[in-house]
Amino acid sequence: DVKVTQSSRYLVKRTGEKVFLECVQDMDHENMFWYRQDPGLGLRLIYFSYDVKMKEKGDIPEGYSVSREKKERFSLILESASTNQTSMYLCASSPGTGYHEQYFGPGTRLTVT
Amino acid sequence: GIQVEQSPPDLILQEGANSTLRCNFSDSVNNLQWFHQNPWGQLINLFYIPSGTKQNGRLSATTVATERYSLLYISSSQTTDSGVYFCAAINSGAGSYQLTFGKGTKLSVIP
Repeated sequence: DVKVTQSSRYLVKRTGEKVFLECVQDMDHENMFWYRQDPGLGLRLIYFSYDVKMKEKGDIPEGYSVSREKKERFSLILESASTNQTSMYLCASSPGTGYHEQYFGPGTRLTVT
Repeated sequence: GIQVEQSPPDLILQEGANSTLRCNFSDSVNNLQWFHQNPWGQLINLFYIPSGTKQNGRLSATTVATERYSLLYISSSQTTDSGVYFCAAINSGAGSYQLTFGKGTKLSVIP
């Protein structure tokens, strides 16, 4: 079975802190994704990556950056956390070109105070 | 971009009842996926169904790509079916990738 893991289930940070959210997948998938989920807004794509060191902006990239140094790991970085970044963050992976079934991690609930 | 609409937004069922959830999308898509989000927030894959019909136990799904909709059928519902059901439409091509989730259908199955 595909396994996608995220570094924390719950995280509390202060405004202005630099925050790293880590995601690891164990199925040699090409594509990895970061989403945030908010009540009433659904899931929105922040960034995705086709390959190592490749990244593409999603619908709401402002205030975020990403890093993919290894194929199995995709990091989401909040350079200076703000309260409006309090949200549930979900990571996903999919096999690659032509086959896009997405597999999700358990999510990280981030609170910025 | 692609617009994805799900209906109904909320659904309450008596245990044992059947239901149909609908997902409409505004443009042609390469792929369509259904998920169930459990009370702990985990998104569980149900179906990856760009076209045709698939069945898995009490659940089945049908996508009619030419008419831009997909249906998820739940038969003999159980309380463990409660949660939010999402569909996601994916459109990919040379140099582009677009993925859009619907807002979900919140299902509550009562004993």
